[in-house]
Amino acid sequence: QSALTQPASVSGSPGQSITISCTGTSSDVGGYNYVSWYQQHPSKAPKLMIYDVTNRPSGVSNRFSGSKSGNTASLTISGLQAEDEADYYCTSFTTSSTLVFGGGTKVTVL
Amino acid sequence: QLQLQESGPGLVKPSETLSLTCIVSGGSISSGGYYWGWVRRPPEKGLEWIGSVYYRGNAYYNPSLKSRVTISVDTSKNQFSLTLTSVTAADTAVYYCARKYANTWYFDIWGQGTLVTVSS
Repeated sequence: QSALTQPASVSGSPGQSITISCTGTSSDVGGYNYVSWYQQHPSKAPKLMIYDVTNRPSGVSNRFSGSKSGNTASLTISGLQAEDEADYYCTSFTTSSTLVFGGGTKVTVL
Repeated sequence: QLQLQESGPGLVKPSETLSLTCIVSGGSISSGGYYWGWVRRPPEKGLEWIGSVYYRGNAYYNPSLKSRVTISVDTSKNQFSLTLTSVTAADTAVYYCARKYANTWYFDIWGQGTLVTVSS
């Protein structure tokens, strides 16, 4: 299985909105509403931010939102804050009943 | 509150077997409704799903690792384990254990991770 495609880096100024894309195929992202997003700070465990494309776990800021169109899912961070600087990963269920991650996106707050 | 903690050797020699355990506390691994899995992150690379297992033994593995991986559950010790055979330097990574609900495909609880280095 091939990794989902994410931009290597995205940056924005405090208060701005940024969007991270996650492109797969009809066998994963496009075929199921099982896309999730994780935030990972250095030397920390990943943290679930979005699940099933659009759902936010309890405790996650509503500045984080998810969407999907065709084979591409997206994570939008609104009102960017310094604490949002981290690596972000998307993941999707696949037709082989497996999970595939994206390559990761480094978010920099300017 | 459920917590996960990885344990195992931090150094493994090439061609040998990597073995890690994830201790589950604050809940029962056999209560049903959950899959228990492993994810790794090699240095300077992204996350990679290794596999997931139900307490009754049903398991799903990353196709790229399937021939070398086994994930098993020990309900008597409330823990689950990862075994990866014939390791190489490419298997050097921080290994995380994590939990997901059955019939879902996201991990909601993670261990803190443990670094395993493959080197002679």
